[in-house]
Amino acid sequence: AQTVTQSQPEMSVQEAETVTLSCTYDTSESNYYLFWYKQPPSRQMILVIRQEAYKQQNATENRFSVNFQKAAKSFSLKISDSQLGDTAMYFCAFMSPTNAGKSTFGDGTTLTVKP
Amino acid sequence: GAGVSQSPRYKVTKRGQDVALRCDPISGHVSLYWYRQALGQGPEFLTYFNYEAQQDKSGLPNDRFSAERPEGSISTLTIQRTEQRDSAMYRCASSLVSSIGYNEQFFGPGTRLTVL
Repeated sequence: AQTVTQSQPEMSVQEAETVTLSCTYDTSESNYYLFWYKQPPSRQMILVIRQEAYKQQNATENRFSVNFQKAAKSFSLKISDSQLGDTAMYFCAFMSPTNAGKSTFGDGTTLTVKP
Repeated sequence: GAGVSQSPRYKVTKRGQDVALRCDPISGHVSLYWYRQALGQGPEFLTYFNYEAQQDKSGLPNDRFSAERPEGSISTLTIQRTEQRDSAMYRCASSLVSSIGYNEQFFGPGTRLTVL
């Protein structure tokens, strides 16, 4: 079974600064997908960024980028130029195509962006 | 409305009552998932459907929980004889298809269930 661990329950960052959220996972599979989701106070689940395990290049989406280390089973999220609207809970998630698309989530990191 | 919708958004019930939670997926989406999210934790898989067929119900906690999707569109998650430990956010997600490669799961707003 896959597990996803987020070791930072809470983090804070000053507006315009950069912050990195950590995630590690455990799997025996070679092909899979990793995600970061954002859950703002509205409690909606919003996909932030996706990484395919077979791609060596780290995914980027505007101010959001990942550092994917497959051998270390590490998948961190870097938020550059933090904005007040980035305040949210962030979940790391794992999905295996062989497991019918079910996602396994970490317990989340609450990020607060301070003005 | 192009997104996944769920109803009710909030449900308060007394212990021992049955509840039915509804999910309306994005039109044309083949796969539908149910997750449960306790406060301060990540979503936990419950069950999923492809069309009307329930493909995996390994995440359902016990036999008080059941789900159906009779016409391959709207799904209902039913919890019988609710207990206080059932209190959580119940989320539905849908995707084009689950079994081939990657298809993004789109999440609904969730139903917050409180069992008194």
